[in-house]
Amino acid sequence: QKEVEQNSGPLSVPEGAIASLNCTYSDRGSQSFFWYRQYSGKSPELIMSIYSNGDKEDGRFTAQLNKASQYVSLLIRDSQPSDSATYLCAVYSNSNSGYALNFGKGTSLLVTP
Amino acid sequence: DAMVIQNPRYQVTQFGKPVTLSCSQTLNHNVMYWYQQKSSQAPKLLFHYYDKDFNNEADTPDNFQSRRPNTSFCFLDIRSPGLGDAAMYLCATSRDAGGSSTDTQYFGPGTRLTVL
Repeated sequence: QKEVEQNSGPLSVPEGAIASLNCTYSDRGSQSFFWYRQYSGKSPELIMSIYSNGDKEDGRFTAQLNKASQYVSLLIRDSQPSDSATYLCAVYSNSNSGYALNFGKGTSLLVTP
Repeated sequence: DAMVIQNPRYQVTQFGKPVTLSCSQTLNHNVMYWYQQKSSQAPKLLFHYYDKDFNNEADTPDNFQSRRPNTSFCFLDIRSPGLGDAAMYLCATSRDAGGSSTDTQYFGPGTRLTVL
């Protein structure tokens, strides 16, 4: 069973602070990693993808990947109340039907004004 | 704008009454996926099509079927919905299915299914 683990939260941060979301995965062969944001009752929306060890920055978002530790994280700088959502970590792993995107259960983020 | 469209957005059906959910895409992607997501759970892959090649997940119940008549459209058929099938059904597409950097999945808005 290839697993993606996230702390369910809720993670509460004040407006303007840095939110740090973490994810671990079990498949050592995984090469592609994604963060999706999901508002309540809506579908997942791609935030960032990362494939190489290190940091990748896009605006207020930074994804960090450490394949040796099987760990991927998402930092949100200058958090806004509109960032309040569930953040899903997703990892491609080999499955019986080819490559499948395995999702964590998500971390609920609450940004308080 | 290129996009993934799902219809209807909300579907109410009766226990045991067949229902069909629709997905279309203008991204011209090779792969189309169907996921089931229940409240506070991760999306669960039901099956996917690579072009016309159907790939079923091992634990997807036989009650769930899919059709892809052309590149743009894909349908999810639930033959005899049970109360446990009430969920959000998500359609996603990707250009390829090799698990690499070109295989980012993009989701439609979802269909919320209620079973009475």
